[in-house]
Amino acid sequence: GAGVSQTPSNKVTEKGKYVELRCDPISGHTALYWYRQSLGQGPEFLIYFQGTGAADDSGLPNDRFFAVRPEGSVSTLKIQRTERGDSAVYLCASSDTGYGVSPLHFGNGTRLTVT
Amino acid sequence: GEDVEQSLFLSVREGDSSVINCTYTDSSSTYLYWYKQEPGAGLQLLTYIFSNMDMKQDQRLTVLLNKKDKHLSLRIADTQTGDSAIYFCAENKDSGYALNFGKGTSLLVTP
Repeated sequence: GAGVSQTPSNKVTEKGKYVELRCDPISGHTALYWYRQSLGQGPEFLIYFQGTGAADDSGLPNDRFFAVRPEGSVSTLKIQRTERGDSAVYLCASSDTGYGVSPLHFGNGTRLTVT
Repeated sequence: GEDVEQSLFLSVREGDSSVINCTYTDSSSTYLYWYKQEPGAGLQLLTYIFSNMDMKQDQRLTVLLNKKDKHLSLRIADTQTGDSAIYFCAENKDSGYALNFGKGTSLLVTP
């Protein structure tokens, strides 16, 4: 079946612009996660959704970052007033319940470059 | 915060065994995971171990867990060139859902 889909795969934007990154999880997965991976680093947790609600947004670096999941499926990560330091690969993952071992299935990521 | 520590690089010859080591931070982590990342791709779950186990074997993969030392290792038997990738160790910090990843070990398998 289809895996986690992220669009676009690459996004180049100018400093100060607004961007939206989209994640389409595996059908039926209730849990959805956003991570950010900088060059040479492991993924860093940003936010976790259980259904439509953000159960934990403690990883969002500041109030320029916001994410939604209005119907409990597709999620959008929104970044306002982008800065060069926001350049990274943004990874989305989903899991069937978010509890117990419930393995995370990752998408291929969106590579964001802020110039 | 505290970091999950991994060595950055490992090079082995095809057919040899590879051992990738990790030191994690949270003794209350319920599960410990190994993920594999190939170039330009997302992370793929390879295997995981429950914290009350000390070993798990899955085909060519063997995971060893030393809870006292908070040390996790992944052994790949008969390593193949297709195993070349970055391997990430991860813990579910505070026994929660958010995974805390190491920086990854880049494994290079040479013919």
